[in-house]
Amino acid sequence: NAGVMQNPRHLVRRRGQEARLRCSPMKGHSHVYWYRQLPEEGLKFMVYLQKENIIDESGMPKERFSAEFPKEGPSILRIQQVVRGDSAAYFCASSPQPATGELFFGEGSRLTVL
Amino acid sequence: DAKTTQPNSMESNEEEPVHLPCNHSTISGTDYIHWYRQLPSQGPEYVIHGLTSNVNNRMASLAIAEDRKSSTLILHRATLRDAAVYYCILGSVGAGSYQLTFGKGTKLSVIP
Repeated sequence: NAGVMQNPRHLVRRRGQEARLRCSPMKGHSHVYWYRQLPEEGLKFMVYLQKENIIDESGMPKERFSAEFPKEGPSILRIQQVVRGDSAAYFCASSPQPATGELFFGEGSRLTVL
Repeated sequence: DAKTTQPNSMESNEEEPVHLPCNHSTISGTDYIHWYRQLPSQGPEYVIHGLTSNVNNRMASLAIAEDRKSSTLILHRATLRDAAVYYCILGSVGAGSYQLTFGKGTKLSVIP
């Protein structure tokens, strides 16, 4: 669990600003998944990426949200023009191969939109 | 998505076994049963998963009913560190297997 590093742990933004959340997967893992947990709800899948490729973004909102996993550096989840409804905990998970069972989650980034 | 039903909360005494039930009557033949747990302010932690046969690992055991419509996560000896929300999730095999949808889970309290 501690192997997946997310930052920042807490982020406060005003409506209309941009939020960038970063995720470094566990060593040796090239598959990254982003999940969102809205207040009082369960985690929901957003997007699955491999290095330089988006594999599945079926859970991503159609507008304002984007994700990338460059050849070098962490995966980034970007939220443009944030609104109050974007306030949530965003979790990143990784796996050494396409996940068939075990995902390794980070401790999450908690976004608060004022 | 195939759904699971879990009790909202359970209590256990420390050092006693805990049986956490999960009903999944609409499970399909290709669905794995996954269990994760989440401590406050932390990310989910994988516990165990299985398809048809009972499974054991260092954290827990998973008992799967013969008809696969229910399963039970067994913590053999609860400790205070096991106090968490436990999620029972169905995930497909192969493509899309990472698309886990977490419900509300069971909040386990461990009494010293």
